[in-house]
Amino acid sequence: TQLLEQSPQFLSIQEGENLTVYCNSSSVFSSLQWYRQEPGEGPVLLVTVVTGGEVKKLKRLTFQFGDARKDSSLHITAAQPGDTGLYLCAAPGIDGGSEKLVFGKGTKLTVNP
Amino acid sequence: NAGVTQTPKFQVLKTGQSMTLQCAQDMNHEYMSWYRQDPGMGLRLIHYSVGAGITDQGEVPNGYNVSRSTTEDFPLRLLSAAPSQTSVYFCASSSGQVNQPQHFGDGTRLSIL
Repeated sequence: TQLLEQSPQFLSIQEGENLTVYCNSSSVFSSLQWYRQEPGEGPVLLVTVVTGGEVKKLKRLTFQFGDARKDSSLHITAAQPGDTGLYLCAAPGIDGGSEKLVFGKGTKLTVNP
Repeated sequence: NAGVTQTPKFQVLKTGQSMTLQCAQDMNHEYMSWYRQDPGMGLRLIHYSVGAGITDQGEVPNGYNVSRSTTEDFPLRLLSAAPSQTSVYFCASSSGQVNQPQHFGDGTRLSIL
């Protein structure tokens, strides 16, 4: 069973600070997705990274896929209260495609005004 | 823009009762999945389907049944509810194409007493 380890598990910061959360595994992935989940709602896709070393930007969010495609990071610049939520990374299982995503346990981010 | 619709949003059951969680999607997606989300455990795959008439087990299938008689609907049945099945349940759908996102419903919060 492949595992996606996310760190930190919890993060509480002040508005305007920068932060980075991580998603690591011992397995190589064909792709990796990042989702954000707000209370009372389902996860929503933020980005998919496919190529080793790939960097994608979504406004103040920067996503990076490791060169070896075993890890990924999400960096948020100048965090805002609206960034509060649970950030989940997910990747296709070894024996499956997108129908069998494996999720990390998530990083719960709180941005205080 | 209905997307993935789950009903009910909340449910309380007594141990031993049965019930069906409903999930419907209007995006003509081939793939549908059921996850449960527990504190500190992330999202775990219960059952999934890659098309009408086809279902398979995920990581934690015991105590749950599914069927896929139509493309749109993917109900999850609890045959004899147990307190360990207290959780938030999410249904998701995707097109099945490589690297496409999973679209999640807003979840059903289920408590078993």
